[in-house]
Amino acid sequence: GNSVTQMEGPVTLSEEAFLTINCTYTATGYPSLFWYVQYPGEGLQLLLKATKADDKGSNKGFEATYRKETTSFHLEKGSVQVSDSAVYFCAQSGGSQGNLIFGKGTKLSVKP
Amino acid sequence: DAEITQSPRHKITETGRQVTLACHQTWNHNNMFWYRQDLGHGLRLIHYSYGVQDTNKGEVSDGYSVSRSNTEDLPLTLESAASSQTSVYFCASSGRLAGGTGELFFGEGSRLTVL
Repeated sequence: GNSVTQMEGPVTLSEEAFLTINCTYTATGYPSLFWYVQYPGEGLQLLLKATKADDKGSNKGFEATYRKETTSFHLEKGSVQVSDSAVYFCAQSGGSQGNLIFGKGTKLSVKP
Repeated sequence: DAEITQSPRHKITETGRQVTLACHQTWNHNNMFWYRQDLGHGLRLIHYSYGVQDTNKGEVSDGYSVSRSNTEDLPLTLESAASSQTSVYFCASSGRLAGGTGELFFGEGSRLTVL
C-alpha cells in the first residue's frame, strides 16, 4: 500500500547548521506531497507542499523538491534556528479515504 | 478567524469508562478526520467523515466511534476506555479531499490517559 518513510530522529543540530530530513514515499499514481511541523504542545501545521514532479515547495527558509525518479521529498534548510526545534512530518495525499498518509515524524532539536 | 478546537485538552480516565472528545471547526469544511499520535507510529487515522450523517472507519477504528449531526462537529467516543488508548488525539478538517491537494487543518490535540 501507499506509505511514507522518513528518517528517524531525534536530530540535534547547532544553530546555523544545515538541515536535511529525508523522506521517501511509495504510491500508485502521483500524489501531492507535504511537510507538516508540530511545535511543542501544538497541533500540526502545514509547512510546505508540492503537487507535481519537480515542483519545489518553500516556506520560512525551508525547501523540498518533489523528485519522481527517486520518489523523494527531502526537507532542507540552510541555517537552522533554535525556534525551528519541532517535530517534522512528511505526508502524501495517497490515502484511499481522502486523507493524508503521514510518516512517523522526525524530532529536531537546535542548540544555541 | 476560522479555527478548529478540541476539548478537553487533557483528560485522565479509568479503564472501562466512556469518554468523548469534542472537535469543532468553523471553516464549514465537509471533511473531518480523527488521528491518534503515538511514539513510533506517527499519526494513524481512526475515523473520518465527508459530510453530515457520513462516517467511515480508518485503520485503527476498533473501540472508537464518531457521529456527524452537523457540519461543525465530529465528536470521538471511546465506548469503554482501555490503557492501549492512552494517546494524543488530533482532529483535522479540509475543504477538499487530500487527493485534490487539499490541506488538512489540525486542532491542538487532546491528551488522554487511561489508568
